[in-house]
Amino acid sequence: SYGLTQPPSVSVSPGQTAIITCSGDKLGDKYACWYQQKPGQSPVLLIYQDTRRPSGIPERFSGSNSGNTATLTISGTQAMDEADYYCQAWGTTTHGVFGTGTTVTVI
Amino acid sequence: QVRLAESGGGVVQPGRSLRLSCAASGFTFSNYGMHWVRQPPGKGLEWVAVIWYDGNNKDYADSVKGRFTVSRDNSENTLYLHMNSLRAEDTAVYYCARETAVAGRRIDYWGQGTLVSVFS
Repeated sequence: SYGLTQPPSVSVSPGQTAIITCSGDKLGDKYACWYQQKPGQSPVLLIYQDTRRPSGIPERFSGSNSGNTATLTISGTQAMDEADYYCQAWGTTTHGVFGTGTTVTVI
Repeated sequence: QVRLAESGGGVVQPGRSLRLSCAASGFTFSNYGMHWVRQPPGKGLEWVAVIWYDGNNKDYADSVKGRFTVSRDNSENTLYLHMNSLRAEDTAVYYCARETAVAGRRIDYWGQGTLVSVFS
């Protein structure tokens, strides 16, 4: 079955850029989404179709997807961005497999 | 506003069955594909199942295939997950989620989840 791998954790200083990767076989041939989940809450959609942001999501969140890697970039990271982040891939045979998840710590 | 409300979770012994429900409101339920996603305590998200808007197509994660069945009642705006032969590893919060496919597939709304605990 198809799998997506993320780094378990990323640490970033306030105001700096956090980069979270998501690796999967030919992931660039699929569409990637990204979700943010804070403790005790349901996930929230941050990015869809590789690069698009839903209304209400701050511009500091951006995405890309090419080759075997999708990337979520948080520019000017804020304390409120401390959370778990999950990628998700959609393809003709993958109906929403999730990545392993990355915990972002703002220190 | 869109609302998804799961129910039916609880404590169940291994090998037993449970049915989860998800009551949808605030949108035209019959126009959307729906998913179940689960999250074991302290762990990551796992996609479980999808059902197309009309119920005619379904798919499952390998870990639940043959044991879980997703269904929907569009007249009642309700999504279901029938879980049979439950195992300890099925212990998780189960989320009901709506898929939007316009301009790229994604899950745009999630319920609050219902906890299923499987142990003897």
